[in-house]
Amino acid sequence: DGGITQSPKYLFRKEGQNVTLSCEQNLNHDAMYWYRQDPGQGLRLIYYSQIVNDFQKGDIAEGYSVSREKKESFPLTVTSAQKNPTAFYLCASRHPGNTGELFFGEGSRLTVL
Amino acid sequence: RKEVEQDPGPFNVPEGATVAFNCTYSNSASQSFFWYRQDCRKEPKLLMSVYSSGNEDGRFTAQLNRASQYISLLIRDSKLSDSATYLCVVNKGSSNTGKLIFGQGTTLQVKP
Repeated sequence: DGGITQSPKYLFRKEGQNVTLSCEQNLNHDAMYWYRQDPGQGLRLIYYSQIVNDFQKGDIAEGYSVSREKKESFPLTVTSAQKNPTAFYLCASRHPGNTGELFFGEGSRLTVL
Repeated sequence: RKEVEQDPGPFNVPEGATVAFNCTYSNSASQSFFWYRQDCRKEPKLLMSVYSSGNEDGRFTAQLNRASQYISLLIRDSKLSDSATYLCVVNKGSSNTGKLIFGQGTTLQVKP
């Protein structure tokens, strides 16, 4: 079945450690996105990529890094520079064409201890 | 002013009620609009796109008002299963690619 897979679902990290969240899609979508969601809040855009080997900062990119070496993969690294990393992280890819629908993974819940 | 704004609610309504949510956006060049539904601790899922002429899907009706820069979602005959957070999503700019901006969501609680 086509879809987006995020891993891990739950992750615990000590302060000062970097952690990488995986996002893989087999939908053949060009555009991929990373969002962060805090309790009771909407989604805020961290980074997005419209094509392989290219990505742009979203609204809250500080303390995060991404790569897009393959169409299928868009990993997000949460670095120790991110001051409040505990959050729900959602990866999405976007359907091309007029609708532009976003398809989300199930999310990764990161807790920093 | 936030780029996309919604009344966070919560909206508490009885089963069978009609409820409407509004969402305002700041970028007049935006061309694509969506309503997503998010259940507690789950990923958002597309409920419906919003077309210029308005569109309906069963009990759900979406409308776009470009002059006033808002979109709306009307839910008729509310069901218990409609309880969720409804997210307004707007494409930033005129291109159909690029940034999709989310509102903070409106929480709906349908009670028996």
